[in-house]
Amino acid sequence: AQSVSQHNHHVILSEAASLELGCNYSYGGTVNLFWYVQYPGQHLQLLLKYFSGDPLVKGIKGFEAEFIKSKFSFNLRKPSVQWSDTAEYFCASPRSNDYKLSFGAGTTVTVRA
Amino acid sequence: NAGVTQTPKFRVLKTGQSMTLLCAQDMNHEYMYWYRQDPGMGLRLIHYSVGEGTTAKGEVPDGYNVSRLKKQNFLLGLESAAPSQTSVYFCASSYKVGGWQYFGPGTRLTVT
Repeated sequence: AQSVSQHNHHVILSEAASLELGCNYSYGGTVNLFWYVQYPGQHLQLLLKYFSGDPLVKGIKGFEAEFIKSKFSFNLRKPSVQWSDTAEYFCASPRSNDYKLSFGAGTTVTVRA
Repeated sequence: NAGVTQTPKFRVLKTGQSMTLLCAQDMNHEYMYWYRQDPGMGLRLIHYSVGEGTTAKGEVPDGYNVSRLKKQNFLLGLESAAPSQTSVYFCASSYKVGGWQYFGPGTRLTVT
């Protein structure tokens, strides 16, 4: 069964700093991978997704993620964060041959102005 | 096109009371899900449905029941609320296996 882990629980940054959030998955077969963002008091929104093809995936709001199969990783990056990026970020992946998503525990990102 | 909607947005219950949370989607999705979100634990799947008239247990189904009488609606019931069920509940839907899920705005439930 697929499991997803996120390494950072809380990250605090200043505006314009670069951001990288770690995500590792356990399943060795074909995987679909997602990053969701949850702004304070709001619901989860899809930030970006990977199904196949180019391992560097571009998402909304300047975010990108790189799928590295050999490392079972799908890390999220943004070169220069803004105060409005303050949110909780979740990595998720379906369990093998399944439609149920396995979520990481989430990483809270606080961007200081 | 409203996407996924949930009612109510907030609710406070006393221990032992019952309630039903309603989720509706207008995207004609086959698959619907109920999650609970607790600090430091991410989202955990309570129940899900792969189509009208079907339901199945997720990771944490105890204390909850669900029904999917219509394709667009997915109801989550608490028969006898307990303080451990204090949480934020999210409904989601998806159109295909392995696809991403669209989430509703959530219901914040407090059980005292």
